[in-house]
Amino acid sequence: DSGVTQTPKHLITATGQRVTLRCSPRSGDLSVYWYQQSLDQGLQFLIHYYNGEERAKGNILERFSAQQFPDLHSELNLSSLELGDSALYFCASSPTELRSSYNSPLHFGNGTRLTVT
Amino acid sequence: AQKVTQAQTEISVVEKEDVTLDCVYETRDTTYYLFWYKQPPSGELVFLIRRNSFDEQNEISGRYSWNFQKSTSSFNFTITASQVVDSAVYFCALSGNNQGGKLIFGQGTELSVKP
Repeated sequence: DSGVTQTPKHLITATGQRVTLRCSPRSGDLSVYWYQQSLDQGLQFLIHYYNGEERAKGNILERFSAQQFPDLHSELNLSSLELGDSALYFCASSPTELRSSYNSPLHFGNGTRLTVT
Repeated sequence: AQKVTQAQTEISVVEKEDVTLDCVYETRDTTYYLFWYKQPPSGELVFLIRRNSFDEQNEISGRYSWNFQKSTSSFNFTITASQVVDSAVYFCALSGNNQGGKLIFGQGTELSVKP
């Protein structure tokens, strides 16, 4: 058990809808990362938050947004969903600050499997 | 640019065979870390190992061993005496000191160990 909790495990929704994925990092971890895993793109970095502030953006669509709350949990919001958004969405956390965070292994949650029909 | 290449898409072996998973990386960062993650059929990503760019010592953990060669930008992973439970997708990943902690993943190698 990595200590990172993601809910829900599975989500089935229709095109055009909006969903929210939730992530609770390991106790004490200040950094939260979101990744998308799809068959054609592999594992892609979406966004990184550190202690409530956005630190880096990757290949995240404008229809997607995220935030990290004062209690350090994070939510990834996906709107105007398309069939191609179907994927496994992972949250990962690490304890350290941005400057040194590259040397901490990311601990991943079990993912949320999103199916858009 | 940061890039990780796992040229082997799928590997199939029979139980007890040794198998090596290849990983080649590209980075301009002077300091970086390399990782291996395992993704079993259940879907979670399991951290296996981290190696920094200054430490080229090979590492062995039970049946697992890792060979880091900076000269060839490779970080290969060997499973000795493979078991059916080793069947999974294995990802090599890179994190550089200018990348804010994010990981760049390879495309993964699907290992199938048959009894």
